[in-house]
Order: sequence, then C-alpha cells, then structure tokens
Amino acid sequence: GNSVTQMEGPVTLSEEAFLTINCTYTATGYPSLFWYVQYPGEGLQLLLKATKADDKGSNKGFEATYRKETTSFHLEKGSVQVSDSAVYFCALEAGSYQLTFGKGTKLSVIP
Amino acid sequence: DSGVTQTPKHLITATGQRVTLRCSPRSGDLSVYWYQQSLDQGLQFLIQYYNGEERAKGNILERFSAQQFPDLHSELNLSSLELGDSALYFCASSPQNGGLTDTQYFGPGTRLTVL
Repeated sequence: GNSVTQMEGPVTLSEEAFLTINCTYTATGYPSLFWYVQYPGEGLQLLLKATKADDKGSNKGFEATYRKETTSFHLEKGSVQVSDSAVYFCALEAGSYQLTFGKGTKLSVIP
Repeated sequence: DSGVTQTPKHLITATGQRVTLRCSPRSGDLSVYWYQQSLDQGLQFLIQYYNGEERAKGNILERFSAQQFPDLHSELNLSSLELGDSALYFCASSPQNGGLTDTQYFGPGTRLTVL
C-alpha cells in the first residue's frame, strides 16, 4: 500500500536558520506529492505540491523537489521565521482519491 | 481561510451517544472528503463523496456514516461513540473527483471529545 515517512520531531531552530524536513514515500504508480502545514489551533493548509518527477513546488520561501529515484520530497527553507512554527505534513495522492499523510513534524522557531 | 466551513468547532459528548458533524465545501467544489486526526493514528482518510455519490472509502468504521446532499454540503454521522473516537475531524473539498490536478482544501476541523 501507499505510505509516507517523514522525520520525527519536534524540530527546534533559531530564527534565520536553514530548515530541512525529510519525507520519503512508497506508492504504486506515479503519485502527486504535497506538503501541508497546520498552524496552532487551525486546519491544514496546502503549502506546496508537485505532480511529476523533477517538479519543484514552492511557496512562501519553502521548496520541495519530487525525486523519483530516491522516492523523496524533502521540504526546505533557507531562513525560517518565528511565524513558521507549525506542524508540517507530507502527503501523497496516488489515484485513489485519498491523501495518505505522514505523521507530521512539529517545527518550533525561537527568536 | 480555505473557504471550507465546519460546524460545530467543538463537541463534547458521552460514550454510546450519536453526533453529526457538518461540512460546507468551497463554492463550486464537487468533492468532499472526511479525515480523522488522532494522536495515535495520525491523519487518516475516512470517506469521499463526489456530487452526491460515495466515491472512495478509507479506514471508516461501520459505526460511522456520511452523506452529501444536493446542495453539496456533507454530514458525518458517528454513532455508539467510544472513548477512542475522540479526535479532530477534518473535512476537505476539491473541485473535481481527485487526480493529479485536483487539490484538496481543508476546513478548520471539529474537535470531538467523548467522555
């Protein structure tokens, strides 16, 4: 079956530090890949997505590249801010109408 | 604001009871999805409706049921509630019926507490 594995948190960084959250997946076929973010007390928001190999999704300074050869979709940001503190979920959709999520990585950014 | 609304925001009830969660999709979206987020299971897909018809089922218990009405809003019914049903229930909507170009937009969730 489909599955997503992302690095366990929590991750604590100082403001302006570089962020990487690792995500790898197992899926049949050619899935679409997503990063969702959940701010405290809120629902999930789509952060970025990529629908085919070598695509790069980007939004709000965050980037992730769909790597088919390593089945990965790592999330990166060059300089994090306190406002980026949230839980980040990697997810895939493989033609079954449902999203399969990783367990989430909590990021805390301290001033 | 995703445009997806869910009511109520919080719900506290007792074991054995039945509750109904409501979701209004974004204007124009035809698909509605329900997800459960719990500490032990994480985020799990429950069920999808497209234009009033059930299209996909995930890890949904037999005690749970859902429907999508002609105006496209959806309700998730949870019955014979157990302590383990306490979770955050999310609704999401998308314009079409899933697929590579279809993106799901999530509501703020309903937090269910079963005592």
